[in-house]
Amino acid sequence: DQQVKQNSPSLSVQEGRISILNCDYTNSMFDYFLWYKKYPAEGPTFLISISSIKDKNEDGRFTVFLNKSAKHLSLHIVPSQPGDSAVYFCAASSSNQGGKLIFGQGTELSVKP
Amino acid sequence: GAVVSQHPSRVICKSGTSVKIECRSLDFQATTMFWYRQFPKKSLMLMATSNEGSKATYEQGVEKDKFLINHASLTLSTLTVTSAHPEDSSFYICSASRGQAYEQYFGPGTRLTVT
Repeated sequence: DQQVKQNSPSLSVQEGRISILNCDYTNSMFDYFLWYKKYPAEGPTFLISISSIKDKNEDGRFTVFLNKSAKHLSLHIVPSQPGDSAVYFCAASSSNQGGKLIFGQGTELSVKP
Repeated sequence: GAVVSQHPSRVICKSGTSVKIECRSLDFQATTMFWYRQFPKKSLMLMATSNEGSKATYEQGVEKDKFLINHASLTLSTLTVTSAHPEDSSFYICSASRGQAYEQYFGPGTRLTVT
């Protein structure tokens, strides 16, 4: 049972435009959500997170939006840069389940110059 | 701060042998360490959670006798793949947490290939 889903395996965006990566979840007990960036043969790097008590968190070019009623979150990157090309994973955590992270399948973002 | 290292970065072993992977938090004490496995183009799957000085908690479907986890100190956890088989070939990633479990810092991963 995939509790965290990223239904788009890949996304291609032109440099300077907005990249929108989506993530859906099924477990209503999740109360913390994170986005990670990952290059091949490397560990994930933390990007941005959001608590379930918020609906938006912004950090520079990265903004995460959370829609609890729809059990959906998204990561917006604007403007997109070629260096943003990587695999992006969303992850969810529940404080009453020890806080362990449940990852989505990842979306491979390609930003073309 | 919050650097996590893994050793080795890649290892090739013969079927039936055992392989040990080390995970170290270099500049902080990790209350909890996690071990993940990633198949090609797939998600990171949590294998087990370990706290220093206590037995690891394994996720459903993960054989604890095959994947031995030792968390001897607040900066070191080891994963030993015992009697490795080709199907154990994968990318293994550890992470360490120093407070809230969702605040995890990931190591660079270890590519295991079993021939």
